[in-house]
Amino acid sequence: DAEITQSPRHKITETGRQVTLACHQTWNHNNMFWYRQDLGHGLRLIHYSYGVQDTNKGEVSDGYSVSRSNTEDLPLTLESAASSQTSVYFCASRPPGPYSGNTIYFGEGSWLTVV
Amino acid sequence: QKEVEQDPGPLSVPEGAIVSLNCTYSNSAFQYFMWYRQYSRKGPELLMYTYSSGNKEDGRFTAQVDKSSKYISLFIRDSQPSDSATYLCAMTSREGAQKLVFGQGTRLTINP
Repeated sequence: DAEITQSPRHKITETGRQVTLACHQTWNHNNMFWYRQDLGHGLRLIHYSYGVQDTNKGEVSDGYSVSRSNTEDLPLTLESAASSQTSVYFCASRPPGPYSGNTIYFGEGSWLTVV
Repeated sequence: QKEVEQDPGPLSVPEGAIVSLNCTYSNSAFQYFMWYRQYSRKGPELLMYTYSSGNKEDGRFTAQVDKSSKYISLFIRDSQPSDSATYLCAMTSREGAQKLVFGQGTRLTINP
């Protein structure tokens, strides 16, 4: 079965370190997203991509970057990790075409702790 | 004020009860409404998808949209312990929109 996988699933890092969270999907979806989930805030969009070489900022993009060199992968980089970035991160993808509705498929999540 | 408001709970009910989960929103442009279910330490999964006002039923689940009141609901009939999860509402203004606006989720526990 096609799927979306994230790695690492759990990571502890120090303030100021650069961290990269990987996201890989085998559906060949053009549209990919990164969200963070925090108590009291729900899911908030960090970055999204419509296809190769395309990236866009979401509502909480400061301190994060993404790159899209192929269809399958959208890595999320924290340039200089801060304690405020301790969170659960979800990668997601959406099927192409106007008839797929607004269905978004989520990965299992990456738990990041910045100490 | 958040665009979408959802009571975080927690909500605890006995097995077999009817559960009502709700969200209110402020953006009158929202037309597409979704409910996601998220089990502990897992990613959200789409449960129900509706367009505009009205009801949609799928097994024990019914999604209801009242655009005039900017209010959406998810009803679970004959609730089961396996329904214990966090339920998130999400919405957007147009088909194929890349960005969904999520509620913060309601944590639900069904007690055997």
